[in-house]
Amino acid sequence: AQKITQTQPGMFVQEKEAVTLDCTYDTSDPSYGLFWYKQPSSGEMIFLIYQGSYDQQNATEGRYSLNFQKARKSANLVISASQLGDSATYFCAMRENTGTASKLTFGTGTRLQVTL
Amino acid sequence: DAGVIQSPRHEVTEMGQEVTLRCKPISGHDYLFWYRQTMMRGLELLIYFNNNVPIDDSGMPEDRFSAKMPNASFSTLKIQPSEPRDSAVYFCASSPYLNQPQHFGDGTRLSIL
Repeated sequence: AQKITQTQPGMFVQEKEAVTLDCTYDTSDPSYGLFWYKQPSSGEMIFLIYQGSYDQQNATEGRYSLNFQKARKSANLVISASQLGDSATYFCAMRENTGTASKLTFGTGTRLQVTL
Repeated sequence: DAGVIQSPRHEVTEMGQEVTLRCKPISGHDYLFWYRQTMMRGLELLIYFNNNVPIDDSGMPEDRFSAKMPNASFSTLKIQPSEPRDSAVYFCASSPYLNQPQHFGDGTRLSIL
């Protein structure tokens, strides 16, 4: 089974609009972390936002917020007031603990295109 | 502040050659990770270190791949002998603690002809 599922391979959003990128996860570990990264066409991986499984409030970082619904195992990224520079591929990732090791597993990504 | 530094940025070599990728983590980060990104398989964790000690290398594809971390400020990923299917972007990342976000380098784009 997929650990991280991003069902939207590509999306379009108009500049200044808000957009939600979906992410669902699968784990039996009670302690885990969820991350979102942005990868522009230049290729680098940029950390955006983090949500811990025990965090009571949804994480926010500027125009980014994470809609964390623990019972539904979803961690959707919301980008408000989209800008042209937001065009990139966005990856959801989960860290879970497996014994003494800990792995970060990435989804397949959502390619976002912001249009005028 | 300096981020994670990887070298080279691009590498093109013929199959059978030895390839060495280098990484300098962010100072003070105790964890270092090596990832590979391909169109077919996405981003995969190859190996990670804690305080220079390899913790989990279950993602290393085969014996042709090896990684070392001789000190806190340097790590290498070596492929010997290289094959065309090793062509990918290889990322190094570091974090201060395991549950903290990982900061990625710019990656090495490797092409094996």
